Amino acid sequence: AQSVTQLGSHVSVSEGALVLLRCNYSSSVPPYLFWYVQYPNQGLQLLLKYTSAATLVKGINGFEAEFKKSETSFHLTKPSAHMSDAAEYFCAVSVNNNDMRFGAGTRLTVKP
Amino acid sequence: DSGVTQTPKHLITATGQRVTLRCSPRSGDLSVYWYQQSLDQGLQFLIQYYNGEERAKGNILERFSAQQFPDLHSELNLSSLELGDSALYFCASSVETEGNTIYFGEGSWLTVV
Repeated sequence: AQSVTQLGSHVSVSEGALVLLRCNYSSSVPPYLFWYVQYPNQGLQLLLKYTSAATLVKGINGFEAEFKKSETSFHLTKPSAHMSDAAEYFCAVSVNNNDMRFGAGTRLTVKP
Repeated sequence: DSGVTQTPKHLITATGQRVTLRCSPRSGDLSVYWYQQSLDQGLQFLIQYYNGEERAKGNILERFSAQQFPDLHSELNLSSLELGDSALYFCASSVETEGNTIYFGEGSWLTVV
């Protein structure tokens, strides 16, 4: 079955610094890959999605992710962190018509 | 607002009791998913329904059951509740099942005391 692994349960960056959240996937067939964000006391919100149309995917709030098949990775980046980016981020994978599997999540802290 | 509506938002109940969580999917979405989020287990997929039929099953306990009704709303029934069932339960919906974005509700907080 497909799965994702998020490296680092907590990431802390300074405001204005690069954000890099790591995600590696495992799938026997071409996957669909997603990044979701969860703000405190809220549900998960889609940041971006990879569907094989382009390897570099741009999402909301200045985030983007690059699909690298050779590395089975789908890391999330943002050039300059804002305080409002502090949240929990989830990488997810789905294949065919199966259920979506989420990673354990990475909590991003942004220091002033 | 994702368009997925969950009720109740908060629920406190005693061990051994039974509760029902309700979900209304986004208009037009045929798939409904249930997830459990807890501090120790993270986000766990429980079950998925597509147009009234069970489509996929995850880590759902036998004490838990779900169904999707003809009007596409769904209910998650949790029985013989234990302290460890305290968690945030999310419903999500999507138009189709293959590679489609799923949209999450705000969740139902369940506290078992």
